[in-house]
Amino acid sequence: SQQGEEDPQALSIQEGENATMNCSYKTSINNLQWYRQNSGRGLVHLILIRSNEREKHSGRLRVTLDTSKKSSSLLITASRAADTASYFCATDQAGTALIFGKGTTLSVSS
Amino acid sequence: NAGVMQNPRHLVRRRGQEARLRCSPMKGHSHVYWYRQLPEEGLKFMVYLQKENIIDESGMPKERFSAEFPKEGPSILRIQQVVRGDSAAYFCASSPSVGSGNNQPQHFGDGTRLSIL
Repeated sequence: SQQGEEDPQALSIQEGENATMNCSYKTSINNLQWYRQNSGRGLVHLILIRSNEREKHSGRLRVTLDTSKKSSSLLITASRAADTASYFCATDQAGTALIFGKGTTLSVSS
Repeated sequence: NAGVMQNPRHLVRRRGQEARLRCSPMKGHSHVYWYRQLPEEGLKFMVYLQKENIIDESGMPKERFSAEFPKEGPSILRIQQVVRGDSAAYFCASSPSVGSGNNQPQHFGDGTRLSIL
């Protein structure tokens, strides 16, 4: 069954703007991860946030986690055309398999 | 490039044929995961293997699909008697220890796009 659900499904912004994507999940987790997928390619790991963490930064990325609401957000600041991709959140399942949402398709135009 | 290598990148089969997808994990990784992605969908877990062992195959269809990770060589995902519904992108990922439970990210290959005629 689908664990993570991203929102919005699609997002179009201009270069330099910020992009915010949200993810909701259903069951308790060990951690939540965000991945990026460029068209025709595999997934690239962006950031992992543990269940006891509330916020994490990596370069232009900021991830928050609210376990009481079972939700997470990914913020990309000062977006670039190269950020155009699909973004997926993934939660673990018994510490092995990742369960992915359907993703948010981000388009950044110059 | 010492990343996860999958081959072939594209595979075309006719209904009823067999498809074999290969995955070489990153160097030093002994855990392999297979996922399937349908168009406009996220990835769906299929199977998790360690060397010579299937640890979790809860996402694998009971018939026609099998996976192995031998002591030597790549992991193989095998689909027998393929049907049109098997058309999808199949991704392999690897990790150095038990996946995300130990807070380890999984590293993905670029996938095999399987098309069934």
